[in-house]
Amino acid sequence: AQTVTQSQPEMSVQEAETVTLSCTYDTSESDYYLFWYKQPPSRQMILVIRQEAYKQQNATENRFSVNFQKAAKSFSLKISDSQLGDAAMYFCAVMEYGNKLVFGAGTILRVKS
Amino acid sequence: GAVVSQHPSWVICKSGTSVKIECRSLDFQATTMFWYRQFPKQSLMLMATSNEGSKATYEQGVEKDKFLINHASLTLSTLTVTSAHPEDSSFYICSARAGTARGQPQHFGDGTRLSIL
Repeated sequence: AQTVTQSQPEMSVQEAETVTLSCTYDTSESDYYLFWYKQPPSRQMILVIRQEAYKQQNATENRFSVNFQKAAKSFSLKISDSQLGDAAMYFCAVMEYGNKLVFGAGTILRVKS
Repeated sequence: GAVVSQHPSWVICKSGTSVKIECRSLDFQATTMFWYRQFPKQSLMLMATSNEGSKATYEQGVEKDKFLINHASLTLSTLTVTSAHPEDSSFYICSARAGTARGQPQHFGDGTRLSIL
């Protein structure tokens, strides 16, 4: 079974600064997909970024980028120029065979003004 | 694009009643939908995978007779919590995939807060 570990229960960042959220995972598959989702207080799950494991290039979406280290099974999320609206719970997830998502425990991100 | 609507957003009912939650994909066809349960400040736990026109696949430990799932069309899946009790109180979220290609991201509804008195 796949497992996803987010070792940081909470993180804080000053507005306009950069923060990195950690995620490690375990999978026996060679072809898989990784995701970061954001859940603000409204509790809607919002897709932040997606990474295909067979692609070496790190995915980027505006201020969001990942550091994907396949050998180390690490998939961290970097948020640049943090904004107040980035405050949320962030979940790392792995998509396994059958297209099911396995989520990590989540990291609460607080943004200070 | 890829909007998923979930209804109701909040429901309060008495113990012993049944509650139906709807999940609709508004601008795409979803052959597969997923149902999750989330406790406060915790992660999402997959309850079942719902495939259009066939029986749902439940995760280990999820009672099939308690949580009835129907996926009658390509845009609608329903979750019925039968004979609900206070321990069923939780936040339930559905998601849907736009397309059948592997790796397609899941798009989530806004969730339903269920409170059983």
